[in-house]
This record gives sequence, C-alpha cells and structure tokens, in this order.
Amino acid sequence: EPEVTQTPSHQVTQMGQEVILRCVPISNHLYFYWYRQILGQKVEFLVSFYNNEISEKSEIFDDQFSVERPDGSNFTLKIRSTKLEDSAMYFCASSEMMVLGETQYFGPGTRLLVL
Amino acid sequence: GESVGLHLPTLSVQEGDNSIINCAYSNSASDYFIWYKQESGKGPQFIIDIRSNMDKRQGQRVTVLLNKTVKHLSLQIAATQPGDSAVYFCAEIIQGAQKLVFGQGTRLTINP
Repeated sequence: EPEVTQTPSHQVTQMGQEVILRCVPISNHLYFYWYRQILGQKVEFLVSFYNNEISEKSEIFDDQFSVERPDGSNFTLKIRSTKLEDSAMYFCASSEMMVLGETQYFGPGTRLLVL
Repeated sequence: GESVGLHLPTLSVQEGDNSIINCAYSNSASDYFIWYKQESGKGPQFIIDIRSNMDKRQGQRVTVLLNKTVKHLSLQIAATQPGDSAVYFCAEIIQGAQKLVFGQGTRLTINP
C-alpha cells in the first residue's frame, strides 16, 4: 500500500539554526500538508500546498517557515531560525484531491528537538 | 471559533469489550468529521469518516455516530483487541476550509 514517507525520523538542532524536513507524498497525490504536534498536545495544522503554491496556512506558519516542492517527488518544510518552541513532531500528509471527504494520509513524522 | 475537543483523556477497557470514545465540537459549520488512530511513534492513521449529512457510519468493527443537535461525535470500537491500544483523535473540516482541526486525543488502553 502506498504511504507517505518522511526523513529524517529525528533531528536535533541548536536554536537559531535552519532545518529542512523532507517528505515524499503518495505518488498520485496532488495536495500536500504539514502539521505539527507538540509533545502531549493535539495535532495542529501548519500549511497546505497545491500546484506549487500555498493554499492555506495557520497563524503558526510565520515568516520563519517555508515550504517547497523542489522536484516531482519531494515536499519540504524549512524552518529558517529555529526556536525552542519549534520542538515538536512534524507530520507531512497528502491527499489525492482537496474536496470534502478526501482522506489525508499522514507520514510517520519527524521529531524535531531544538536545544 | 474552531474547537474540537474530547470528553475523556484516557479510557481503559477489557479486551473483547466494546469501547466508546467521545468528541465534542463547537463549530456548526463543520462539514466533515474523521477519526484518526495514532500509535506510539507513528503518524495519525485514518479510521473512519462521516459527513455532516449523515448520523451514522459503520466500518469494520468501528462505528461513528454524529449528533449535530448537540455537536457530538463518537467512535465505537467493537470487541477491542490489544492492537486497538492507541491515542484516538477526532478531527473536523470546516466548510470551505482545507485543514483538519484535531481534538486533544483520548488514550485507549486495552487490558488483557
């Protein structure tokens, strides 16, 4: 069964450093998402992406965050200057379409720890 | 505002028993509801969904009930198995939006 993959599984970085989290969505999917989950809290939406553009973003997704689809398979989330509060599990998701009822499939996540 | 929450943070049931996990939502404009299961160290896994024009939907061992009058959603798992141990999240999509709004999560523990 096709699945969303993410790399790395764990990332430790120093505050102020840039990190890039990588995702390979399911191959025929056209809509991509990033969510994050701070330890012990609920999953929060960050951004959705379609046709090489951001289609929706949350208040969390400020100027320090950016997303990119650098090639036909990868979808990346960049945090330019990490803060301690960026420590969280980051999940990529994808869906075939962006219509009501279309399931978003999640990857296994990248655990980011900012020291 | 957007608010999806869960009544109980933890639920413990005996193997073989049925379990019911509840969720309250506050946005009457929500069109679509989904239950996700999250096992330790993994991403959320789709279980079952329901549209706002339905009040019940059944899957394999799972049933979702939607009561729009009181803005309540529940997930029933029949004959629970050890593999059902996980955190269960309800999530909603508000009409016209694309993002999933998740609730806090309920940890389900299956006792042997």
